[in-house]
Amino acid sequence: KAGVTQTPRYLIKTRGQQVTLSCSPISGHRSVSWYQQTPGQGLQFLFEYFSETQRNKGNFPGRFSGRQFSNSRSEMNVSTLELGDSALYLCASSADGYTIYFGEGSWLTVV
Amino acid sequence: AQSVTQPDIHITVSEGASLELRCNYSYGATPYLFWYVQSPGQGLQLLLKYFSGDTLVQGIKGFEAEFKRSQSSFNLRKPSVHWSDAAEYFCAVGAPYFGNEKLTFGTGTRLTIIP
Repeated sequence: KAGVTQTPRYLIKTRGQQVTLSCSPISGHRSVSWYQQTPGQGLQFLFEYFSETQRNKGNFPGRFSGRQFSNSRSEMNVSTLELGDSALYLCASSADGYTIYFGEGSWLTVV
Repeated sequence: AQSVTQPDIHITVSEGASLELRCNYSYGATPYLFWYVQSPGQGLQLLLKYFSGDTLVQGIKGFEAEFKRSQSSFNLRKPSVHWSDAAEYFCAVGAPYFGNEKLTFGTGTRLTIIP
């Protein structure tokens, strides 16, 4: 069974731009969540979707948004990028809501 | 609110030696507990999880962890480490009810293996 797939793996953006990251969950998993990982703040929860509905949201500004499609794929968007948004963005999926499997991540560098 | 403390930022052990990584959690009830491993440039791989039942849980790659309610701990152990175990290890806590699928992570412990 294929794991959680994230695209793109690496990207460089300029301050003020926006970025969209994509995530395909493990087949059959309906819950998709996103995390940000930085050296300074560690791993922080962004948001979680289930059946196209956002159920949980972390403490991030409104520039961070996401959505989930009917096939459980998910995207997250960051608008008006700031240097501090440079991070590894991890997508995770779950079938039972408790055991969470992570993808390889998308490395975002903002210059 | 739930929280996780990993007191050791960096641990160095010799190959073949035993390993114990510490994790303490804060949560009002019995939480769901996890250990993940992250190799450089990679995502997180689930090593093991504790939901209920036997307090000693076995995971992949020869790892095990013991849940101790009285100490609010969930320490990770391995009897004999291999050079390939060098990575960063994260303990995480999740709330055990449906609809709250988010994990709170510790700050991680970086493991270095010396030959």
